[in-house]
Amino acid sequence: ETGVTQTPRHLVMGMTNKKSLKCEQHLGHNAMYWYKQSAKKPLELMFVYSLEERVENNSVPSRFSPECPNSSHLFLHLHTLQPEDSALYLCASSQDLRDEQFFGPGTRLTVL
Amino acid sequence: KNEVEQSPQNLTAQEGEFITINCSYSVGISALHWLQQHPGGGIVSLFMLSSGKKKHGRLIATINIQEKHSSLHITASHPRDSAVYICAVGLIQGAQKLVFGQGTRLTINP
Repeated sequence: ETGVTQTPRHLVMGMTNKKSLKCEQHLGHNAMYWYKQSAKKPLELMFVYSLEERVENNSVPSRFSPECPNSSHLFLHLHTLQPEDSALYLCASSQDLRDEQFFGPGTRLTVL
Repeated sequence: KNEVEQSPQNLTAQEGEFITINCSYSVGISALHWLQQHPGGGIVSLFMLSSGKKKHGRLIATINIQEKHSSLHITASHPRDSAVYICAVGLIQGAQKLVFGQGTRLTINP
């Protein structure tokens, strides 16, 4: 257990659905991250939040919408996704930016 | 060419062997991370280093800033070490962004 939890662990959705991924960290960290890991590709950073402010948006399509209501919770809202968005979505947190990151177990998303 | 390159991509060894995984990068960095990813996806941070060498149990990580190169060593390897090992660098510019290598899949046979 790394202190970072993600729900759901698996999600199958159609292209017209709206769903949300949830991440919660129990470490008192100030920074939280969303990453995407597609098959046979390196991990890609999607979003970074520090003290609930978005500090990095790595050219992610608008069909992915992050939300950070407080420093312990991070959401990724999904709508009208494409099959190529099927991937493992990982959340991480760190005490502050530039510190060691602690990862959640990931949500494996399949878009039909 | 990726900013972070790992070698080898796949490595199979017998239990007890000494393992070395290499990482080269082409950008200025604030720190380098070694991560371990087990089947099922969970990632664990092994090391974060910006100079020299760190050791934790049977794992050793070294970095040479001048040569832009890092190595991860595993001594007395065990089947439970089987995983994907990922090198990632924190960029000097916008250092909250990590850039990842493609990973090295390690299999240790009993």
